[in-house]
Amino acid sequence: SQQGEEDPQALSIQEGENATMNCSYKTSINNLQWYRQNSGRGLVHLILIRSNEREKHSGRLRVTLDTSKKSSSLLITASRAADTASYFCATTLGSYNTDKLIFGTGTRLQVFP
Amino acid sequence: ETGVTQSPTHLIKTRGQQVTLRCSSQSGHNTVSWYQQALGQGPQFIFQYYREEENGRGNFPPRFSGLQFPNYSSELNVNALELDDSALYLCASSLGRQGPEQFFGPGTRLTVL
Repeated sequence: SQQGEEDPQALSIQEGENATMNCSYKTSINNLQWYRQNSGRGLVHLILIRSNEREKHSGRLRVTLDTSKKSSSLLITASRAADTASYFCATTLGSYNTDKLIFGTGTRLQVFP
Repeated sequence: ETGVTQSPTHLIKTRGQQVTLRCSSQSGHNTVSWYQQALGQGPQFIFQYYREEENGRGNFPPRFSGLQFPNYSSELNVNALELDDSALYLCASSLGRQGPEQFFGPGTRLTVL
């Protein structure tokens, strides 16, 4: 079963615009990660935010976490055509990589040149 | 590139057959996790191997089994294939107890006819 749900399911924007996708999850977590997947291939880790953090930045990415609402958002600023991909949030209950990742349903982002 | 490789890239089998998928983890990583991703869905955790021992299993039947070898590479075996087993199978490696990020291979696309 999926832990989380991403919203929206699909998003289409023009290059240069910002893209925001949201993730909601069901149970208490230790940390939340965002991954990108190009064309049904392997996933690439983007950013991790721990349960005691509220906001984190990495390049053009900004992630927020609201544990009281069990939700997270990923903002991609000044999007590029190369950002076209599916984006997944994933939660773990523990602190170690020996914990399984529980993925959401994903947001398909298309960025038009 | 994560350094995680999977073989084969694509595979076509018929219902009732057996299949073995292979994964070579990133150098130095001692943990391998397997995920099944159906079309349009997020990855679902199958099981994980840590230092050659199974270290957690998702909601998959016993006909899904695995192995991890002394060099930390891994196999996923599926017996008595069913049509619903058609999916992208992803392996992810990580270094035990070093943090929750996992590094994914490109996946094996399995089609069951």
